[in-house]
Amino acid sequence: KAGVTQTPRYLIKTRGQQVTLSCSPISGHRSVSWYQQTPGQGLQFLFEYFSETQRNKGNFPGRFSGRQFSNSRSEMNVSTLELGDSALYLCASSFRDRGLGANVLTFGAGSRLTVL
Amino acid sequence: AQSVTQPDIHITVSEGASLELRCNYSYGATPYLFWYVQSPGQGLQLLLKYFSGDTLVQGIKGFEAEFKRSQSSFNLRKPSVHWSDAAEYFCAVGPRNNAGNMLTFGGGTRLMVKP
Repeated sequence: KAGVTQTPRYLIKTRGQQVTLSCSPISGHRSVSWYQQTPGQGLQFLFEYFSETQRNKGNFPGRFSGRQFSNSRSEMNVSTLELGDSALYLCASSFRDRGLGANVLTFGAGSRLTVL
Repeated sequence: AQSVTQPDIHITVSEGASLELRCNYSYGATPYLFWYVQSPGQGLQLLLKYFSGDTLVQGIKGFEAEFKRSQSSFNLRKPSVHWSDAAEYFCAVGPRNNAGNMLTFGGGTRLMVKP
């Protein structure tokens, strides 16, 4: 079973540009979450999509947006990039373990964004 | 608001020695608890999770963790560390309801293993 696939793995942008990151979840997983990881702030929740609807959103400015397609693939977009947006962006997909009554997240390898 | 504290930013142990990584959480109710490991340049791999039942949970790679409600702790242990265990370890909490997958992570503990 293929894991969570994130593309691109590495990218370099300049301030003011925008970027789109892609995430393909594990087959059958309907929920996709995005996290930002930086040395200063650690791992922070960005947003979560389930069945093409945003279910939760973290405390990030409106420059950060996302969407989910009918095949559960997800994209996130960051507009008007700032230096502080340099980070590892992690995507996770999950299924609901009905026996446990809980969700289990599987993470991708991440997309490392550098803003110059 | 929920929070997770990993008091040790760095830990160095000798190969073959035992390991304990500390995790304390603050949450309105008993949350779901997780430990993840991250190798350099990689994503997060789930080591183990606690949802309910036995408070001592076994995970992959020989790791275990014990949930102590009275101490709001979920410490990770391994009896004998291998050089390949060198990585960063993250404790996380998540909601018990079906409101989604918003995990709150601790700051991480970087483990170094001496030969």
